[in-house]
Amino acid sequence: TQLLEQSPQFLSIQEGENLTVYCNSSSVFSSLQWYRQEPGEGPVLLVTVVTGGEVKKLKRLTFQFGDARKDSSLHITAAQPGDTGLYLCAPRGMYSGGGADGLTFGKGTHLIIQP
Amino acid sequence: NAGVTQTPKFQVLKTGQSMTLQCAQDMNHEYMSWYRQDPGMGLRLIHYSVGAGITDQGEVPNGYNVSRSTTEDFPLRLLSAAPSQTSVYFCASSYVTSGANVLTFGAGSRLTVL
Repeated sequence: TQLLEQSPQFLSIQEGENLTVYCNSSSVFSSLQWYRQEPGEGPVLLVTVVTGGEVKKLKRLTFQFGDARKDSSLHITAAQPGDTGLYLCAPRGMYSGGGADGLTFGKGTHLIIQP
Repeated sequence: NAGVTQTPKFQVLKTGQSMTLQCAQDMNHEYMSWYRQDPGMGLRLIHYSVGAGITDQGEVPNGYNVSRSTTEDFPLRLLSAAPSQTSVYFCASSYVTSGANVLTFGAGSRLTVL
């Protein structure tokens, strides 16, 4: 079982600031996903990264997959109150079965953007 | 499309009672799974299914049963509820593309066991 660490666990910043959250492990991943979960809702997929060093942008969100595929970061530029939520990373191990077994999720980063 | 529909949204049980959490998807996804989410523990996989008639255990299967008689439905059964099963339960359906498992979650079912 791969160990996942997301940091920071909690982050509260003012609107307009920039921030970065991290997802780290000692295991190598075949791919990694980031989800955002708002209170009272299920997680929603933001992005999937597959290639080591890959960078994907989604408006003000920038996702990077580490060169060694053991870690990932999510950077938010000019954070807005609508970015508030729980950010979860979900990597898929190199030797996962058939592809359809459930994902392993990190414990998440609770992000609050204050107006 | 409704996506993934979970019912009920809230439920209170007494210890020892049984109940079924319903999950239905209309996206024709082959794969479905159940997670529980607890403070400080994140999302943990209970059971999953790779197709109708096929199920398997996840990380925390004890106390839960599942079946998958149709592609659309994946109910989660608690045979004898315990306070430790107080949690928020999420059902997800998914497909695999480019080696990644793409999940769509329901809105969750909040269960309290007294």
